[in-house]
Amino acid sequence: KQEVTQIPAALSVPEGENLVLNCSFTDSAIYNLQWFRQDPGKGLTSLLLIQSSQREQTSGRLNASLDKSSGRSTLYIAASQPGDSATYLCAVLGNQFYFGTGTSLTVIP
Amino acid sequence: KAGVTQTPRYLIKTRGQQVTLSCSPISGHRSVSWYQQTPGQGLQFLFEYFSETQRNKGNFPGRFSGRQFSNSRSEMNVSTLELGDSALYLCASSWGTDYNEQFFGPGTRLTVL
Repeated sequence: KQEVTQIPAALSVPEGENLVLNCSFTDSAIYNLQWFRQDPGKGLTSLLLIQSSQREQTSGRLNASLDKSSGRSTLYIAASQPGDSATYLCAVLGNQFYFGTGTSLTVIP
Repeated sequence: KAGVTQTPRYLIKTRGQQVTLSCSPISGHRSVSWYQQTPGQGLQFLFEYFSETQRNKGNFPGRFSGRQFSNSRSEMNVSTLELGDSALYLCASSWGTDYNEQFFGPGTRLTVL
């Protein structure tokens, strides 16, 4: 069974700092990997989708990379802002979507 | 274009009752997936429907069931509610082919007393 782990579980950074969130998965047989953010009590907002044949995707200040062979993905956030404070989740798609445990990010003004 | 909608947004039930939650996908999307989110277990996959057929199922008891209609709208039903069923229930829609990007609704917060 696929297991998805996110490290760290929580992160607190000052505004303006660049940061990296990590996601690892045990089974490299995936179709794609998707990063989401979730605000408290709300649904999930899709940030980036990386197909299994791709190595990275970029959207604004966000860049996500995928290394299937090592079972790892990273989400890079440049010049963090207080509005980036949320929980970030990665999900890998094999025969179903498997979600990571999430990283709770706090950006301090 | 309109996003994924879920109704109701909040629900309070008592143990033993049953509940039906509704999800309307983005127009044109044929796949709807359901998830349960709790603080202890995180996000767990319940099932996925594509063109009115259940395509995938997670590891939940038979009390949890679902269906999809010809217009792609989906419902999930939980019978004989237990306290542990209190959770945020999320649905997501996608085109359903080649495992495209999933888009989530705001969720239904179910509280079982």
